[in-house]
Amino acid sequence: SQTIHQWPATLVQPVGSPLSLECTVEGTSNPNLYWYRQAAGRGLQLLFYSVGIGQISSEVPQNLSASRPQDRQFILSSKKLLLSDSGFYLCAWSLLRGTDTQYFGPGTRLTVL
Amino acid sequence: AQTVTQSQPEMSVQEAETVTLSCTYDTSESDYYLFWYKQPPSRQMILVIRQEAYKQQNATENRFSVNFQKAAKSFSLKISDSQLGDAAMYFCAYRSGSGSRLTFGEGTQLTVNP
Repeated sequence: SQTIHQWPATLVQPVGSPLSLECTVEGTSNPNLYWYRQAAGRGLQLLFYSVGIGQISSEVPQNLSASRPQDRQFILSSKKLLLSDSGFYLCAWSLLRGTDTQYFGPGTRLTVL
Repeated sequence: AQTVTQSQPEMSVQEAETVTLSCTYDTSESDYYLFWYKQPPSRQMILVIRQEAYKQQNATENRFSVNFQKAAKSFSLKISDSQLGDAAMYFCAYRSGSGSRLTFGEGTQLTVNP
């Protein structure tokens, strides 16, 4: 069966510091991968998605970037965090073909102080 | 652009009773998918149920069922025999048949009273 991991689970960072959040998927090959952000008590906003290694689509212009160095690894980064980057970050995967239902990881809670 | 609206920010239900959560969406497409996700206090998003727009039959998963009204662009979730573990934030979501993006509603916080 497929599993999706995210780390760290929680992170507190000062403004201006760099960021790296990691997401990995097990049990499937060539998945679509997604990064979402959720503000407190709100719905999810798609940030990036990837259909393959090195292929990244950005949905929202912002202070963040994403990379996919390996088939089942998706990384969310920032060179300098802003206060507005605080939130809950969720990674998701779906099959490239087939049902295409998205399945979510446990998330990372990021607080920027 | 597609939009998803959940008009009930909060709902409550007595344990063992039935509750219906509302969702409407706006799209000009004919091929799409609709989802209900549950987000418990742990905040992990859990798929509850999925509906393909081309299917007329309403999806059912155990105690969870949907009322899909394509012409009205309505997609409500019915939870039967509510349990304490059903307490969570519920999100309705839309995906185009030709795209990968999920568009979410703002969520409905469900409380289950013992």
